[in-house]
Amino acid sequence: GQQVMQIPQYQHVQEGEDFTTYCNSSTTLSNIQWYKQRPGGHPVFLIQLVKSGEVKKQKRLTFQFGEAKKNSSLHITATQTTDVGTYFCAGDNPLDSSYKLIFGSGTRLLVRP
Amino acid sequence: DAGVIQSPRHEVTEMGQEVTLRCKPISGHDYLFWYRQTMMRGLELLIYFNNNVPIDDSGMPEDRFSAKMPNASFSTLKIQPSEPRDSAVYFCASSLGLGGDTQYFGPGTRLTVL
Repeated sequence: GQQVMQIPQYQHVQEGEDFTTYCNSSTTLSNIQWYKQRPGGHPVFLIQLVKSGEVKKQKRLTFQFGEAKKNSSLHITATQTTDVGTYFCAGDNPLDSSYKLIFGSGTRLLVRP
Repeated sequence: DAGVIQSPRHEVTEMGQEVTLRCKPISGHDYLFWYRQTMMRGLELLIYFNNNVPIDDSGMPEDRFSAKMPNASFSTLKIQPSEPRDSAVYFCASSLGLGGDTQYFGPGTRLTVL
């Protein structure tokens, strides 16, 4: 079945450093969504990318969708302690009639103040 | 809007007991999802409903797990009998549609089975 993998599993950075997490799907996706889960919290929607090669920015966060629509990345510039949490990508396979969102394994970000 | 509501927030029970988790989706959302999150397996989709009808329960781990949605504003996930390996955080989420539609998660129920 479809798999969505994220790397790295964990990233520990000094406040002010940049951070990137990568999302790779075994199948082409119709769209990719990114969610953030704070420690002890629940996943919260951040953004959705739909077009091949699409790039979107939210303040210090930059999201990219690959040309083949099988991979995506989230880059955070100059991390802050408020960025701590687990970042999940999620996508659905357009060939899967159930249109289920498959969540990636997540990247846990820790920021040293 | 109050968002997705789940109860209880925490549940501690003994092995063999029945556990019932409850969820109230966002009004107007046609889809409701139950997820289980553990360190080992990450976020797993257990089952989802469309207009109160179960559509895909392929993620339900065993017959000990069952889910119902008697109406558009209420769903339950039941584990009977519970086992220690069922310990996890269970999230309910709802959305307007599938695929590209945003899923809104509830705060989760942290289940501990002793």
